[in-house]
Amino acid sequence: DVKVTQSSRYLVKRTGEKVFLECVQDMDHENMFWYRQDPGLGLRLIYFSYDVKMKEKGDIPEGYSVSREKKERFSLILESASTNQTSMYLCASSLRPSGVLYQETQYFGPGTRLLVL
Amino acid sequence: AQSVTQLGSHVSVSEGALVLLRCNYSSSVPPYLFWYVQYPNQGLQLLLKYTSAATLVKGINGFEAEFKKSETSFHLTKPSAHMSDAAEYFCAVSGTFKTIFGAGTRLFVKA
Repeated sequence: DVKVTQSSRYLVKRTGEKVFLECVQDMDHENMFWYRQDPGLGLRLIYFSYDVKMKEKGDIPEGYSVSREKKERFSLILESASTNQTSMYLCASSLRPSGVLYQETQYFGPGTRLLVL
Repeated sequence: AQSVTQLGSHVSVSEGALVLLRCNYSSSVPPYLFWYVQYPNQGLQLLLKYTSAATLVKGINGFEAEFKKSETSFHLTKPSAHMSDAAEYFCAVSGTFKTIFGAGTRLFVKA
């Protein structure tokens, strides 16, 4: 069964702290994504990666960075957490079949609810 | 660029009533259209996917959606709502590098 896991379900951090959110998938997917979800705003893409060591900015990358050293793991880093980064963070992965340009079904982790005080 | 509009941020139905959640996409026909569901405190999971093989797509838990090119719509329906259907539903279209999600519709089911 397809599985995406996130390192924490709930996290409380202080303003200015460096925060690491980890995501691991066991499906050998090429693509991985980080979203944040806020009430009334839906899902907003922060960063995505279509291969190891590759990363692309999404719609709201400011204040975030990512790392993908291994195919199965995609980390989101908040360099200096701020209160406006309090949110639900969702990781997802998808296949990238060769010759297919468009995005396939995404598989999501359970989410990390981050509170920055 | 592709875009998705979900009409109604909240929909309330009685148990046993028809569920209709509306989704419209931008005019260029996307290769894939999706409906995802998010139960409380969980991530999203795929409900159904349109791939142009058939305009009426059946998904899990009795849901189905019909692709209508003339109306640029992909509305989600279920004939009879169950309490367990209470969740947030997202319509999405595939893009070249990313999936574009609608803002979501929260479904409430009244006993």
